Amino acid sequence: DQQVKQNSPSLSVQEGRISILNCDYTNSMFDYFLWYKKYPAEGPTFLISISSIKDKNEDGRFTVFLNKSAKHLSLHIVPSQPGDSAVYFCAARAQTSGSRLTFGEGTQLTVNP
Amino acid sequence: EPEVTQTPSHQVTQMGQEVILRCVPISNHLYFYWYRQILGQKVEFLVSFYNNEISEKSEIFDDQFSVERPDGSNFTLKIRSTKLEDSAMYFCASYPPGSSVNQPQHFGDGTRLSIL
Repeated sequence: DQQVKQNSPSLSVQEGRISILNCDYTNSMFDYFLWYKKYPAEGPTFLISISSIKDKNEDGRFTVFLNKSAKHLSLHIVPSQPGDSAVYFCAARAQTSGSRLTFGEGTQLTVNP
Repeated sequence: EPEVTQTPSHQVTQMGQEVILRCVPISNHLYFYWYRQILGQKVEFLVSFYNNEISEKSEIFDDQFSVERPDGSNFTLKIRSTKLEDSAMYFCASYPPGSSVNQPQHFGDGTRLSIL
């Protein structure tokens, strides 16, 4: 299932700098996109989401951008903190197909002090 | 903050045995899900459950799998005759009712199922 793809398995940034995590999708029916953060031995924790009618959603240090024409979304974290080190999953839902989420592979973010 | 709880955290079972994974969704949520993540692979949708019936299931969710909400709080996933390839992390999720359909699903910490 390649409908949601995170091409970077890992990303390393310095504390205080910006982290940019990317996600691409192929299904044009996706209308709701989410980012989840996951620590080892825990479940995915919801971080931020965006509806397909928007191109940007911001919540504190986290901003999600959606480019529908490119079928691309990104998560910006600024400033990055060591506690942000985790695996970040992009997920998408197509309301016309029910409420299931389709996940990307995840990107391991490491924020170095 | 309310959370989804899953038990046990780790289950070791012999191949061919039945296993039941348990979840307590967030109390006012009405939609329930099971996902799994095989080691090194993506999180995959298995099944969704609403109004005491399956609303959607993936091709993974074959006749070996079943779900049940035996009372007002628990939501269970049963695997009738486990296979080696059922070894994975199993996540339960729930989703609140509301005027907006754009609500996130909330996940439990998972049960690690190891089939020997």
